[in-house]
Parts: sequence; structure tokens; C-alpha cells
Amino acid sequence: EVQLLESGGGLIQLGGSLRLSCAASGFTFNNYGLTWVRQAPGKGLEWVSSIDYSGTDTYYADSVQGRFTISRDNSKNTLYLQMSGLRAEDTAVYYCAKGFHTYDYWGQGALITVSS
Amino acid sequence: DVVMTQSPLSLPVTLGQPASISCRSSQSLVHSDGNTYLNWFQQRPGQSPRRLIYKVSNRDSGVPDRFSGSGSGTDFTLTISRVEAEDVGVYYCMQGTHWPRTFGQGTKVEIK
Repeated sequence: EVQLLESGGGLIQLGGSLRLSCAASGFTFNNYGLTWVRQAPGKGLEWVSSIDYSGTDTYYADSVQGRFTISRDNSKNTLYLQMSGLRAEDTAVYYCAKGFHTYDYWGQGALITVSS
Repeated sequence: DVVMTQSPLSLPVTLGQPASISCRSSQSLVHSDGNTYLNWFQQRPGQSPRRLIYKVSNRDSGVPDRFSGSGSGTDFTLTISRVEAEDVGVYYCMQGTHWPRTFGQGTKVEIK
């Protein structure tokens, strides 16, 4: 059974930094691209960042480019999202999802609240 | 960026009746590999999104066959043949062909 479990969310001050993790199981981790998608309170889904199976190629939304870094550790079956320079508009539930062109499995989400 | 435009944004439906959601993209979603990466996701209240349909018309395992996807190029449709109570939620189309990936605004399906 495929499982994706996010951790590392919480309350963070404006301008602060935080790292999200997503522990994966139930599939061959290093065969698949992975993605972060976020959802602000009461809003729709927003693609944030994707990484290819090897970690070589990464992609970012303009809204987070230069502030967020996606990475993966294939030896630990874990996906990361390092976030810095956090803004109020980064407040959202962050989901990790399996896939590159399409997302067949999603985690339960981690809430990040950026507060002044 | 590719803009994904869904309509309607709110869809009140009667139980047992059909429902359709339209999704239009501002550019063709045909990838250089020949695939069209148009996906549909369902998000029930308080839950994570769940994929229903991938590559336009491929239904995921466990998804009831009352859900179907169709379309090509820039024009796509999700159809529910007979709406059931468990179908209440928000439905999103999403393109996985171009960077950045983009989602539609979401269509809220509710029971009349």
C-alpha cells in the first residue's frame, strides 16, 4: 500500500524558515518523480514544486522560486521542501504527491501557518 | 503559464441525475511524447485530493464507473452519469504537460 506521510508543519514567523518532510512507502521510491502541492485556507490547489526520480531536475512555481528548495533522499525514501523567507501568503496545507505528469497518491497534508 | 478554466464553479445536482464539468486549457495539452496529461481530482470535505482520471479518460482503480473523462487538445469534460451522495466535494482538472503545472479553479458539487 502506497503511503505518503508529511511532517514538519507548524506555526512560523514571517520571514522564517521551515523544512517539510514526506516519508514514502509502498512503492519503489527512486523510480518516481515527486511533487509538492499546496492549498491555502478555503482556496484551490496550487502546484509548488516537482523533482524527478533521481533528484537531478527540479521545477518551481514563480511564487516560491528562490525561496523554496525541493530535494529527496532516495536512501531514506524521503522527499523534502526547504522553505525560507516565508510570507503570509505561504500559509497553506502542503501535500506531497507521487508523480511528475500526474499525481496518483497524495499525503494527508501538513499545515503551515505564517504569522506576524 | 497554461490557464485551466473550469465551468461551472458551482454545480447543484439531484441525486441520480447526470452532471458534467468542463475544463478548457489556454494551450494544447498534447505533450511531445504524444500523451495528453489532463487529470481530474476529487476533494471531499476535509480530505486530501484523490485522482479520478488521468490522461484524459483513464479511470483510476477503485473509481466507480459512473465517472468518465473525455476530450482532446484544449477541451475536456468530466461526467458523472448518476450522482450519488458520496460525490459531494470539489473537482479539479490539472494539466501535467507544461511547466508550471496548473490546476483549474475547482467545481463544487453539491446535492440539491
